[in-house]
Amino acid sequence: NAGVTQTPKFQVLKTGQSMTLQCAQDMNHNSMYWYRQDPGMGLRLIYYSASEGTTDKGEVPNGYNVSRLNKREFSLRLESAAPSQTSVYFCASSGRTGGDTDTQYFGPGTRLTVL
Amino acid sequence: QKEVEQNSGPLSVPEGAIASLNCTYSDRGSQSFFWYRQYSGKSPELIMSIYSNGDKEDGRFTAQLNKASQYVSLLIRDSQPSDSATYLCVGDSNYKLTFGKGTLLTVNP
Repeated sequence: NAGVTQTPKFQVLKTGQSMTLQCAQDMNHNSMYWYRQDPGMGLRLIYYSASEGTTDKGEVPNGYNVSRLNKREFSLRLESAAPSQTSVYFCASSGRTGGDTDTQYFGPGTRLTVL
Repeated sequence: QKEVEQNSGPLSVPEGAIASLNCTYSDRGSQSFFWYRQYSGKSPELIMSIYSNGDKEDGRFTAQLNKASQYVSLLIRDSQPSDSATYLCVGDSNYKLTFGKGTLLTVNP
């Protein structure tokens, strides 16, 4: 039982390049989330998926797209990377949908640098 | 704008002391609150959740919630060097979490 896995762990991009961050969970959770964490800013929600087939914007969605490929997998795409997207990206999942929050379990993170 | 504000820290306590971490929140619609711990270079992990006014104890940890004052706190008794980490106060509203910026706690042997 691996929990939440993310690939890659580290990535360096040049401005304008594109890439996809992958996330998968094996806990049969309905909800999945993408966050970014910057020094002094805390974690900020980029996009979330309350259930398979749905996605919604979070606090900082600009410059990103997401795909909920199936119940297990939720990917984050940067179409044209910018230096402002240099950050640590965390994927998380939780068991519930609707108005209740269950514990969110986090992946190990992807450290992205955009030059 | 929903906000969770934490005391800025850093907080340094000697081993065996009580560490007190505090936060306030702006969204009166928040129903659930969480404390996550994050070691340097690692991902956040949940240590406590609290949903009702009052205290909730789990081992050396006690979470306190006062919805009227919009205040959440975490007490760590008998602090250990292994408790040294950043503690994130988190509020929930409609299953979206709002994270505070964190308080860095250092427990000195």
